Amino acid sequence: DTEVTQTPKHLVMGMTNKKSLKCEQHMGHRAMYWYKQKAKKPPELMFVYSYEKLSINESVPSRFSPECPNSSLLNLHLHALQPEDSALYLCASRPQSSGGPYEQYFGPGTRLTVT
Amino acid sequence: EDKVVQSPLSLVVHEGDTVTLNCSYEVTNFRSLLWYKQEKKAPTFLFMLTSSGIEKKSGRLSSILDKKELFSILNITATQTGDSAIYLCAPDAGGTSYGKLTFGQGTILTVHP
Repeated sequence: DTEVTQTPKHLVMGMTNKKSLKCEQHMGHRAMYWYKQKAKKPPELMFVYSYEKLSINESVPSRFSPECPNSSLLNLHLHALQPEDSALYLCASRPQSSGGPYEQYFGPGTRLTVT
Repeated sequence: EDKVVQSPLSLVVHEGDTVTLNCSYEVTNFRSLLWYKQEKKAPTFLFMLTSSGIEKKSGRLSSILDKKELFSILNITATQTGDSAIYLCAPDAGGTSYGKLTFGQGTILTVHP
């Protein structure tokens, strides 16, 4: 099973709302990733978690707050977003962040629209 | 800074044609290169290449890596309309990159019946 699941599939939120995106994998992977993808652009890395610890933050604005409560679950908390934050948010995982080489598996994504 | 360039950026062909997609890269601590296919949603994994000159094959798709010249190609033979998608390549830099993938711009492939 190489499945990464994400919920919700679609999300529409106002600029004053607080919402969360959820990502789950049950492959025993210890590295998990958040990517942001704008239309007609490739995915861009936002955050990397390795063994439930934040290892990389690609200078992401603080209105995006990641959380890794356990080895299977990754959340992205959203607050006071801007319309330009509208994008497809992709979660991915792989067995470990170091060593390898490893394949990286992506979830189906959450299509976020900020109004 | 890591650099990944794909060409062509877009390609329109007819069913049955053969296509070659290119990916050149410059990364430190190169470990592997991954190819993905993206349709409406998430990128789906195609190949991971680690060694030069060894072709990976899956049905009508094949890929090869040249670590000396820092490029990879993805070939699709006898294209079908279902091959229409964006094809992305991404080198895995290893080291302290924590598995971070830096994607190329992608090649948009359109296959007409």
